[in-house]
Parts: sequence; structure tokens; C-alpha cells
Amino acid sequence: EDQVTQSPEALRLQEGESSSLNCSYTVSGLRGLFWYRQDPGKGPEFLFTLYSAGEEKEKERLKATLTKKESFLHITAPKPEDSATYLCAVHRSGGYNKLIFGAGTRLAVHP
Amino acid sequence: DTGVSQNPRHKITKRGQNVTFRCDPISEHNRLYWYRQTLGQGPEFLTYFQNEAQLEKSRLLSDRFSAERPKGSFSTLEIQRTEQGDSAMYLCASSYASGTYEQYFGPGTRLTVT
Repeated sequence: EDQVTQSPEALRLQEGESSSLNCSYTVSGLRGLFWYRQDPGKGPEFLFTLYSAGEEKEKERLKATLTKKESFLHITAPKPEDSATYLCAVHRSGGYNKLIFGAGTRLAVHP
Repeated sequence: DTGVSQNPRHKITKRGQNVTFRCDPISEHNRLYWYRQTLGQGPEFLTYFQNEAQLEKSRLLSDRFSAERPKGSFSTLEIQRTEQGDSAMYLCASSYASGTYEQYFGPGTRLTVT
């Protein structure tokens, strides 16, 4: 069964303290892995798509990487405005078009 | 048109009532998706359309739920005889039918069933 597991469930950082979020996945044929940011009471905001192992994408203080079993979202020198829930999702190949999401990591960055 | 829009943003209803939500996708996107999200969980897929055709439905979508996309543009999601367990955020997303498959989400409709 396709499954996405994110860890940790919650993470508290001091401003400037770099860290990584993990997304482990089990899927029959990965078409793409997606990272989203979600603020309270809002819809998910698209961040990155990764398609193959070894691929990396960067945006400001965020960097996403992909292996055959997991993805990492690295946050360098975070600021309070990076506080949000970060969601990972997989898109399976073979004619399926839904995204399968993990439960997310709630990140709090304190000044 | 700068993104996916959803209306209403909030809906409070009594158990047993029917509710309908609307989603307007990004205009050039021909795929439209509905997801449901409960507190502390990631979104769960409900159904998706390519143009006006409903191509996939989750087993989560009971007989009380129906979705339409009559002209391949906006979509509606109706829940009949609402139950307290239907309380959730209902999210709509849209994408192109090929290429990157990136799905862009709207702000959601928060449903509270009392």
C-alpha cells in the first residue's frame, strides 16, 4: 500500500538554527514527490517537485533532496516567517492522478 | 485569474442539512481535484475531473457526496444529510493534464457540522 510518513511531527527551532525535515515514502512507481507549505486556515502552497533520486531543488532558505526511499527538506538559517506546516506528497505512476500526503511537520521558528 | 478560488470560505450547518461548495480552478488547467483535510492530517483525495469527466473517486466518497464539473470549468461538491464526521476543510486543486502534474490548491472551505 502506498504510504508517506513525515518526521518529526513538530519541530521548534531558534531563528538561525538550521535543520531538516524527513519524508519517507513507499509507492509503486514514483512519478513525482511534492513539497507544500501550509499556513493555519489556508490551503497548501506549492514549493517543489522532485522526479528522480539525486535531484535537488532550492528556493530561498529551503532545499529539497530526493533518494529512492525518502526526501529531505533542509531549512538553512530559518526566520520566524518560515513557521508553518510542511507537507510532503507523492504522485504514483500508472494512471493514478491523486496525491498521497503525509501528515506534515509543524515547524515553529522563534526569534 | 491568479489562482484557485473557493466559496464559501466557511460554512456552519446543522446535522442533516445539505451543503454545496464551489471551486473555480486556474483557467488554463483542465484537471480539477477535491481533497478533504482534518486537523493534524494531510489532505485526503476525494475525486478528480479531467475537463467535465469525473475519472476517479475515492472510497472515502460515500453516496452522500456528489461532485460535478458541468462545463469543464468550475466544480461543485455537494454533501447531503451532513453528519458531524463531515466537519473538515474541503480543498480544491487544479493542474494541467500533462507535464509537471503540479497541483495548485485553493484556500479551502471550512465546514462545521453542529
